[in-house]
Parts: sequence; C-alpha cells; structure tokens
Amino acid sequence: AQSVTQPDIHITVSEGASLELRCNYSYGATPYLFWYVQSPGQGLQLLLKYFSGDTLVQGIKGFEAEFKRSQSSFNLRKPSVHWSDAAEYFCAVGARQAGTALIFGKGTTLSVSS
Amino acid sequence: DTEVTQTPKHLVMGMTNKKSLKCEQHMGHRAMYWYKQKAKKPPELMFVYSYEKLSINESVPSRFSPECPNSSLLNLHLHALQPEDSALYLCASSLRDRGDTEAFFGQGTRLTVV
Repeated sequence: AQSVTQPDIHITVSEGASLELRCNYSYGATPYLFWYVQSPGQGLQLLLKYFSGDTLVQGIKGFEAEFKRSQSSFNLRKPSVHWSDAAEYFCAVGARQAGTALIFGKGTTLSVSS
Repeated sequence: DTEVTQTPKHLVMGMTNKKSLKCEQHMGHRAMYWYKQKAKKPPELMFVYSYEKLSINESVPSRFSPECPNSSLLNLHLHALQPEDSALYLCASSLRDRGDTEAFFGQGTRLTVV
C-alpha cells in the first residue's frame, strides 16, 4: 500500500526567501505524485503533478517540484515566497490500479513573516 | 468549466435533524469522492463513486448515506449525527477512479452539529 510522509508540520519563511517543503512516499511501482494547497476554510487546489518524464515539474503560482526516485522524494520549491503563499500544503500519492483514491500526507503549514 | 460546486457552504444541524450535502460537476468526470476534514488534518476519504456505483466505503458509519443520482451529482445524506461529526466535508471528482488522474475539489461544506 502506498503512503506519504511530510516530515515538517509547520514552517515559517520570510517573505522573499526561498521555500522547500519535503515529501517522501512509499509505493512499489512508479507513483503518481501531487501537491495541493489549501487556504483556511477552502477546498484543495492542485499546484502540480508528476506522472512520468522530466523529473522537474512546474506548477502554478511559481511552484516547482522535483521527483527523486533514489530518495523516494517529491519536494516542493519556490524561489521567492509571497505573503499570500501562507496556507496548508498537502503532498499526495496515487496508485495505478482502478478503484483507488489519493492518499494524502498529514500536511505542512506554511507561515510567511514580513 | 473546471469547477466542483458544493452546497451549502455552511450548515448547522441538531443531532436529530436530517440534512443533505450536494456536489455537482460538469467536467464529464466519472469518479466522485466524499472526504471529511478536521482542522489541521488531511482529508480523510469516506466514499468513492465510479460510474455512479459505490466502489469504496471506508467503513463510514451508517448515519452518513451517499447517493449518486447521475454522473454529475453526488449527495451525502446526514441523519442523527454526533457533535464529533462537525468538520469540513469536501467533494472531489476525477476523470476516473485511478491515481493517474488529478482530483478537483469543491470549496467544502462547513458542518457544525449541535
């Protein structure tokens, strides 16, 4: 069975500084990987996804993520954080077989200081 | 149209009430999901419908009753809920119930049981 670990519960970054949120997955085959963002009281919005091919994927709002099979990781990065990026970030993994749903990590809360 | 629409946005109900949550999508997606989310926690999968048939029930108590009247609509019928059922209820849809398709989320229904 697949699983996702987000080691950091809460991260604070200064506005304008770079950001990296960690995600480690466990899955026997090539995983499908996603990053979602959730603002307070809102639904989840997809930032980016990795299915295959280029291991560096670009997403919306200036985010990117790199898939590293050797480290079972899919870390999210942004070169310069804006105050509006403060939110909850979830990494998720999907399986190939039918009849499945995404498995989410516990999430990382991002705070942005001025 | 890439939206999943949930109504109502907020709901307060007593423990003896019966209410329903509604979810609608017009993206031609054939998989629809209900998730429950408590504060500062990841979404927890409740039910999955695939081609209008219930394919996953994550051992959810019978006071929650899902219904998929057609491929665009998903309901969650609530009856005799407990205060601990208060949460954000999220609906999502995807092209199919496999991990290689992204899930689109609605904004959620904030449910309070009194």
